[in-house]
Amino acid sequence: EAQVTQNPRYLITVTGKKLTVTCSQNMNHEYMSWYRQDPGLGLRQIYYSMNVEVTDKGDVPEGYKVSRKEKRNFPLILESPSPNQTSLYFCASRGGPSTDTQYFGPGTRLTVL
Amino acid sequence: AQSVAQPEDQVNVAEGNPLTVKCTYSVSGNPYLFWYVQYPNRGLQFLLKYITGDNLVKGSYGFEAEFNKSQTSFHLKKPSALVSDSALYFCAVRDSGGTYKYIFGTGTRLKVLA
Repeated sequence: EAQVTQNPRYLITVTGKKLTVTCSQNMNHEYMSWYRQDPGLGLRQIYYSMNVEVTDKGDVPEGYKVSRKEKRNFPLILESPSPNQTSLYFCASRGGPSTDTQYFGPGTRLTVL
Repeated sequence: AQSVAQPEDQVNVAEGNPLTVKCTYSVSGNPYLFWYVQYPNRGLQFLLKYITGDNLVKGSYGFEAEFNKSQTSFHLKKPSALVSDSALYFCAVRDSGGTYKYIFGTGTRLKVLA
């Protein structure tokens, strides 16, 4: 089944403790992206990647890191999480420049205490 | 700078009645516009898109959207609402320059009443 998977689905952590949220897609998509969803703010793009080893900032990249070492995986790294990073995070993928449809993962709910 | 506005936080409609969820946009150049739906505890699902061509775009689950260039709007419509259409709907615009940058609206919660 074609899908985008994220792990973990739920995470409660404390301020300053490094964490990684994994994202993997099995559709051989070139493009991948991370979003955060907050009430009243909708979805905001954190980072995106248009190819292996190619990443770029979205609208809210501060406090986040990403890497794209292989095509299928695009982990989101929070080196020193803070409470304002408490949010619902979505990973998405898109085939490439000639496609438009994004496929979203199920989401990761992160709480930073 | 690109932007998308969804002026209504919530829309209530009776089952069987037509529904409209509003979206306006601001872009430089040609707009690439999208609608996505989010059901509870799920990721977003693609509904439809406008890239070029006919102003009325048909999508999944009986939804359609009307692109209006003069009013810079891209409203989502359905002739007859179902209770199962109750969800959170997002309008989005993509950079037409070939990047993967998207701007999403704040979302509109649709509630269809039986």
